[in-house]
Amino acid sequence: SQQGEEDPQALSIQEGENATMNCSYKTSINNLQWYRQNSGRGLVHLILIRSNEREKHSGRLRVTLDTSKKSSSLLITASRAADTASYFCATASLGSARQLTFGSGTQLTVLP
Amino acid sequence: GAVVSQHPSRVICKSGTSVKIECRSLDFQATTMFWYRQFPKQSLMLMATSNEGSKATYEQGVEKDKFLINHASLTLSTLTVTSAHPEDSSFYICSARGQTGLPEQYFGPGTRLTVT
Repeated sequence: SQQGEEDPQALSIQEGENATMNCSYKTSINNLQWYRQNSGRGLVHLILIRSNEREKHSGRLRVTLDTSKKSSSLLITASRAADTASYFCATASLGSARQLTFGSGTQLTVLP
Repeated sequence: GAVVSQHPSRVICKSGTSVKIECRSLDFQATTMFWYRQFPKQSLMLMATSNEGSKATYEQGVEKDKFLINHASLTLSTLTVTSAHPEDSSFYICSARGQTGLPEQYFGPGTRLTVT
C-alpha cells in the first residue's frame, strides 16, 4: 500500500540550482531510502538514512529525517541535466522483512 | 556491488497466455525477494514478498493464483502472470535482500509487459 506522499509531484529547475524534494510517511520505520528512476528503467539506490539519524550526505545529496514529523527531504545541490529523473522515497517497515513502501515520487527536470 | 538481473526486459503476449519473468541475484545470495508493479507515471506497488523455500506473502488485492511466485533457490525468483489480460500490462520490478541482514534492497532493471 502506498504510504508516502512526496511533494512536489513535479519540479523544474535550471542547471546549477538546488532541488529539494519532500517525503512524508505515516507509520514507524526502520529506515528511509531515496531512489532515482530514469524513464522506463529500474531503480537506483541513492541513500539510506536510519531512524536514529537526522541527516546524511553523499556527494551532492543531502537527506534529512524528522521522525517526529514523519518526514524526510532530499536536497540535490548544483543540479545537472543528467539529474533529470523521478525520485522516490521508500520507507522500510519494522520487522524482519523490512518491506519497502514507496512514495508517490517527484519528477525532476533540470533544464540545461 | 550487488547486481540483480531480470529477464526478459520486454515481453509482448496475447490475452489469455501466461508469461514468466525471472529475477536473479548475480553475485549474492538473496534470502528475500520482492516483486513490485509500476503503472505509467505512478509509484511502485509491492505485490508480494518471497523467501527462499517458502510460499510467497501477497499484498492485499494481489491474486496469488494469477501471479505465481516461485523462489526455488537463493539466486532465483520467478513471477508468472497467468491468463494475462490487457490490464496486467505494466512494468514489473523485482528486488532482493541478502543474507547479511543489511537493510539495502537491490533492484532489477524491470520487465515491461504488454498484453495485447
